[in-house]
Amino acid sequence: KAGVTQTPRYLIKTRGQQVTLSCSPISGHRSVSWYQQTPGQGLQFLFEYFSETQRNKGNFPGRFSGRQFSNSRSEMNVSTLELGDSALYLCASKETSGTDTQYFGPGTRLTVL
Amino acid sequence: QQQVKQSPQSLIVQKGGISIINCAYENTAFDYFPWYQQFPGKGPALLIAIRPDVSEKKEGRFTISFNKSAKQFSLHIMDSQPGDSATYFCAASSGNTPLVFGKGTRLSVIA
Repeated sequence: KAGVTQTPRYLIKTRGQQVTLSCSPISGHRSVSWYQQTPGQGLQFLFEYFSETQRNKGNFPGRFSGRQFSNSRSEMNVSTLELGDSALYLCASKETSGTDTQYFGPGTRLTVL
Repeated sequence: QQQVKQSPQSLIVQKGGISIINCAYENTAFDYFPWYQQFPGKGPALLIAIRPDVSEKKEGRFTISFNKSAKQFSLHIMDSQPGDSATYFCAASSGNTPLVFGKGTRLSVIA
């Protein structure tokens, strides 16, 4: 099976802009989670979607949002970008919403100038 | 509040040596403890995972030791190789809750 894919791999934006990142999970996986990875904070959970419903949400401001489509593909959106949003955004998928093995994509490197 | 504390932040080990990374957790409801390996430019990849009904799990050169009473678990890499040089993350979760990650350990294996 193909792994988790994320597009684009790299993005450069300026403060105040908005950005949309895309994630295609492994075929058959219905749960998609998003994480922000930074050198200082490590891996921080953003949100999880399962069957198009948000199941869990991390402690991030409302500028961060996401959605999942009927084919399990997911997008996350960040509005009004701030310099501190520069990070690697990782998507991970698993078959169910329980404690299954979570498979990560390569990430999208977002740089905010 | 950091629920999973990982140490050390960085580790240098001689080729052939044993690498040991430790994690401590606070939430006694956690029942799934995976370790992830991440190479530069890649996403984390599951290395090995354990549940609290066993005290040790071994897969090849990688072993997880789990101490439920101390709320600690550790990763041991036997016969460490330069190709093991990467960042390692411990994590924990329970039921439908998301994975909580440690801050990571950068391992360098030198010849």
